[in-house]
Parts: sequence; C-alpha cells; structure tokens
Amino acid sequence: GAVVSQHPSRVICKSGTSVKIECRSLDFQATTMFWYRQFPKQSLMLMATSNEGSKATYEQGVEKDKFLINHASLTLSTLTVTSAHPEDSSFYICSASGGAPYEQYFGPGTRLTVT
Amino acid sequence: DAKTTQPPSMDCAEGRAANLPCNHSTISGNEYVYWYRQIHSQGPQYIIHGLKNNETNEMASLIITEDRKSSTLILPHATLRDTAVYYCIVRVKFRNDMRFGAGTRLTVKP
Repeated sequence: GAVVSQHPSRVICKSGTSVKIECRSLDFQATTMFWYRQFPKQSLMLMATSNEGSKATYEQGVEKDKFLINHASLTLSTLTVTSAHPEDSSFYICSASGGAPYEQYFGPGTRLTVT
Repeated sequence: DAKTTQPPSMDCAEGRAANLPCNHSTISGNEYVYWYRQIHSQGPQYIIHGLKNNETNEMASLIITEDRKSSTLILPHATLRDTAVYYCIVRVKFRNDMRFGAGTRLTVKP
C-alpha cells in the first residue's frame, strides 16, 4: 500500500521555540493531507486539512497562527508549531490522500515534548 | 457523518477469534464502514472497509448486518501483536474527511 513518512519521529523543544514536522507521501501524489493531534489515552482529533497549493482549512478551536501548515508540493506537507508551550506536547499524525476514491494513508506519527 | 458506538475495551485469548462490534444505527445509504487500528505510539493502520456485503482480506473479516446498523470486525486467530485500539468509522467514500471516535482497546492475552 501507499507509504507516508513523518520526520522527526520524536522531538523535544523548549517552551517558546518553534518546531517543524514534515509529512511526505513516498510513492503517490497527495492532493490532500490531514493533520491530527492525539493526547494520551485519547482518540485522534483532526486539526486541519490542506490541499496542495491552497491554504489549509482548520477545525474549530485550532489556532491557525499557532499551527502553520504548508502543503507546497504533492508529496510534502509541513506543520509548524509556533511558540510551543508544554500543553502543545502531543502525538501529531498526518495522513495523505491521493484523490478518488479518497483513501487515507497515515504516517507513523511525531511525538512532540515541550519542556 | 453518522456516529459509531464501540465498547471501550475487550479481552481476547491468544489464538482465538476476536469479534469487535460496532453500532452505526444512523448510517446513510452512501456511507461505508471502515476499520482502522492503532498500535501504541504508531499511526493508524487500515484494516478493511465495506458497504453492505461481508468482506474478507488477509487481516480480518467484516460482517455487516442486513440493515447496516451494526457491524463486526473479526480477527480469526488473534495474536499478541493484535493488541491495539480498533476504530470503526463510517464515512462517504468519496469525501476526504475521516473522524475518529473513542475506539475499542483490544488486549490479546497469552
């Protein structure tokens, strides 16, 4: 099946700094990418949807100025957590879809810890 | 999208069949039933999906009731590596969004 990678797999950053997470579709062109956040013992929560070359659509309650999403190519989307705080510590997961029939393929996730 | 209801947790003995139920009583005619699982600290893994007919692949079988209001995912011979959270999701196939509920935490015991 289609493969989606994320980098880094784990990152620790200091409070107030920014961190970028990359999501790549390795063997298909992803017209749409999704970013999810998952807190411990909770389910995945959709943060935003991004289409290649367009601005991302954010879910209600997700700050677009804090979670910057760039989907500049058909194989790469980035999520930048700006001015990170300890409450941003979470597991961030991306998924990618290559168009009809819109099956989603998930990345392995990135564990962010803000100290 | 229609919502799903799953038991929060289940246990299964290694080597036995694991039967995971899902209720989706408000499912629409064009909505598919998808199953994913998430092993600890990994991204979700696709298992199977179906519309109204029963489906089987190398991982599992999906049994959908005739009225489509519920379904059961069957892992025929559960192993310790099948311990995970299993998510049942209903969605229109040609729509992009996918929303996760709480899922069922399956623990396979030796």
